[in-house]
Amino acid sequence: EAGVVQSPRYKIIEKKQPVAFWCNPISGHNTLYWYLQNLGQGPELLIRYENEEAVDDSQLPKDRFSAERLKGVDSTLKIQPAELGDSAVYLCASSLDHGGVLLFGPGTRLTVL
Amino acid sequence: GQQVMQIPQYQHVQEGEDFTTYCNSSTTLSNIQWYKQRPGGHPVFLIQLVKSGEVKKQKRLTFQFGEAKKNSSLHITATQTTDVGTYFCAVYAYSGAGSYQLTFGKGTKLSVIP
Repeated sequence: EAGVVQSPRYKIIEKKQPVAFWCNPISGHNTLYWYLQNLGQGPELLIRYENEEAVDDSQLPKDRFSAERLKGVDSTLKIQPAELGDSAVYLCASSLDHGGVLLFGPGTRLTVL
Repeated sequence: GQQVMQIPQYQHVQEGEDFTTYCNSSTTLSNIQWYKQRPGGHPVFLIQLVKSGEVKKQKRLTFQFGEAKKNSSLHITATQTTDVGTYFCAVYAYSGAGSYQLTFGKGTKLSVIP
């Protein structure tokens, strides 16, 4: 069975440009997470979905970040406009239900110049 | 919100030496998870501890949950170069938005000198 799929794996953009990341979770996993990981730090939650509903987006910078999970499967995370400080790895993860074990995708490494 | 402190931040060991990382919380935890992230990779689940004083083993790895459920440790016996990576503990903590989220420690980065 395929794991969590993310694309692109790497993205380099100039500041003020928009960027989007895509995630396909494990089949049957109801809960989907987007985490941000800065160099040398642990992952930090941006948003959590239960099916298609965003149930915890308290740490998502809503002025420039947005996310959606249409039909409760795939998800996209968008940044518009990107800032230099957004350079990081964006990890998508999924779990059967909230409170369980997370399976992470390979991440998208974003570099903002 | 809930914070978990991991120590040490870095550890360099000679291959064959033992390694231990600790995770400490100021509040009682319902459970704790451990993840490993290889260089350039993504976090991979290792184990979950739930019971007070619980000890679980995976080959050379021994995981322990404190009696008061406020701390946990991961011990690796006779490290190998394949053990290289960053080890994270993670706990479910109240996010302040009416829900709980999995919060990761800062991790312990293990280097093994062959």
